[in-house]
Amino acid sequence: DTGVSQDPRHKITKRGQNVTFRCDPISEHNRLYWYRQTLGQGPEFLTYFQNEAQLEKSRLLSDRFSAERPKGSFSTLEIQRTEQGDSAMYLCASSPQGDPTGELFFGEGSRLTVL
Amino acid sequence: DAKTTQPPSMDCAEGRAANLPCNHSTISGNEYVYWYRQIHSQGPQYIIHGLKNNETNEMASLIITEDRKSSTLILPHATLRDTAVYYCIVRVGGTGGFKTIFGAGTRLFVKA
Repeated sequence: DTGVSQDPRHKITKRGQNVTFRCDPISEHNRLYWYRQTLGQGPEFLTYFQNEAQLEKSRLLSDRFSAERPKGSFSTLEIQRTEQGDSAMYLCASSPQGDPTGELFFGEGSRLTVL
Repeated sequence: DAKTTQPPSMDCAEGRAANLPCNHSTISGNEYVYWYRQIHSQGPQYIIHGLKNNETNEMASLIITEDRKSSTLILPHATLRDTAVYYCIVRVGGTGGFKTIFGAGTRLFVKA
């Protein structure tokens, strides 16, 4: 059994380019979360899916950001027209519905550097 | 979700107990205390959680005060690999909670 998988692990791009990150949650985990983390700060909540439905979006998720989970399995996070302020670690987590602990299982993250 | 306050950093000698405090004076009756840790360049890892009783697992112990306004995470015999950022989080637990809000956490340095 593998944990939460994120791809790519590192991405360097030029300002103005579009980037897409992929997250594969633990199988049978129907809840999926995206977080963003900048240096020295804790992870910031971006959005949350239950199955394919996006149930909550943070105000941090500007119009340039879009997240999808079309079949309720893997998810993608796309950033359009990247800015230098988008440089961060993008973390994905998953959890099973009905789990009494409420534990989140995180991936290793995708580090974005915008030049 | 209630807000938590943690010291920004702490030191601990290897082999000694590490006691990490957390204040959550505005915690609600249905909110749990969760602890996660994040080792450098990795995603956060769940450690333990509790509602009002003290909890222990293979990683740590969680002591929650009777009024639930503060708690302490105890790593009984800290090792160098416990050097990490530790996050104390208060949220509605179990199936009722959806998002976990992280603060800045406490950076624990375990020294040889």
